[in-house]
Amino acid sequence: EPEVTQTPSHQVTQMGQEVILRCVPISNHLYFYWYRQILGQKVEFLVSFYNNEISEKSEIFDDQFSVERPDGSNFTLKIRSTKLEDSAMYFCASIDSRSSYEQYFGPGTRLTVT
Amino acid sequence: DAKTTQPPSMDCAEGRAANLPCNHSTISGNEYVYWYRQIHSQGPQYIIHGLKNNETNEMASLIITEDRKSSTLILPHATLRDTAVYYCIVRPPMDSSYKLIFGSGTRLLVRP
Repeated sequence: EPEVTQTPSHQVTQMGQEVILRCVPISNHLYFYWYRQILGQKVEFLVSFYNNEISEKSEIFDDQFSVERPDGSNFTLKIRSTKLEDSAMYFCASIDSRSSYEQYFGPGTRLTVT
Repeated sequence: DAKTTQPPSMDCAEGRAANLPCNHSTISGNEYVYWYRQIHSQGPQYIIHGLKNNETNEMASLIITEDRKSSTLILPHATLRDTAVYYCIVRPPMDSSYKLIFGSGTRLLVRP
């Protein structure tokens, strides 16, 4: 069964450093998402991406964040200058809106900012 | 956005049915009810969704009341692997991005 994959599974970085989290969505899917979950808290929507542009973003997704689909398979989330409060699990998801609206989530990347 | 209310925690015995309730009294006529679950810190997993009629798939059944103000997710024979947080989500009708807004969910503990 096709699945969403994410790398790395765990990223440790120092405050102020840039990080790029990578995702490979399911190949024929059209919409792509990033969510985050701070330890012990709810899963929060960050951004949705469709047709090579952001279709919606939350208040959390400020100028420090950016997304890109550089090559038709990878979908990346970049945090320009990480803060301690960016420490969280980051989940990528995708849907094939032509056939269903089920979101398929990846296993997540645990980001630890020290 | 229609809000959902779920009990924070429930438990059931292995092999028995788990019935997870959700209130969504402000749901609009064209909003779907979705259920996802999150096992430990894994990515959320789709379970089932419905609009008006009851739905069943290989994982669960979804019972939606006639007035659509509440629903129940049924896991017919719960196993230890069904221990997870279960989220009831109502998708906004005019949301073109199909994003999901998660609440706190119900933490289901399946006891041996």
